[in-house]
Amino acid sequence: EIVLTQSPGTLSLSPGERATLSCRASQSVSSSYLAWYQQKPGQAPRLLIYGASSRATGIPDRFSGSGSGTDFTLTISRLEPEDFAVYYCQQYGSGWTFGQGTKVEIK
Amino acid sequence: QLQLQESGPGLVKPSETLSLTCTVSGGSISSSSYYWGWIRQPPGKGLEWIGSIYYSGSTYYSPSLKSRVTISVDTSKNHFSLNLSSVTAADTAVYYCARANFNTWNGFDYWGQGTLVTVSS
Repeated sequence: EIVLTQSPGTLSLSPGERATLSCRASQSVSSSYLAWYQQKPGQAPRLLIYGASSRATGIPDRFSGSGSGTDFTLTISRLEPEDFAVYYCQQYGSGWTFGQGTKVEIK
Repeated sequence: QLQLQESGPGLVKPSETLSLTCTVSGGSISSSSYYWGWIRQPPGKGLEWIGSIYYSGSTYYSPSLKSRVTISVDTSKNHFSLNLSSVTAADTAVYYCARANFNTWNGFDYWGQGTLVTVSS
């Protein structure tokens, strides 16, 4: 089973700043099968990025994904107030697994 | 617009079986382009994939839960179901159903609102 480790656990930033979130896999993941989600309190997760770098429908272009192999990154170029949330990476192999999440909070 | 809705008891006693159903509306569960999955989230914690099913009935389970999980699909009712046996307090969580789309490389692109299940006597 592939384990995904996200870092940092919490990211404290101000609106307008750039956020860089990391997701590291315990073994190589096909880039096609790496996704990122955003979750706000009391809401279901929302798919942001799939295939490591493709934005899902309706996702603003300030969100971008990159990486390959075991190291993947989600970048939010300029944080908007609505971007403060928890972010999860997820991989699909023989099953699905999620990382433990990174909380992006207002500094 | 596709919608998924979880339903089932909000309170289950320890050692009993948790049973939930996810009803899909606005689309067919029988499409060959999707898996249908269950994900849970204990209070204040992260997401855990439980298992997924294809419309044909093929199932895929988390190794850590495999011995206790059964997922089934009823295409005539356009819904799929989760049974989790021998529950303990550690199974208390918000349970989500979701669709994994081949077009988003099996990312979960539609989610239900989630339902809180508490395990307590």
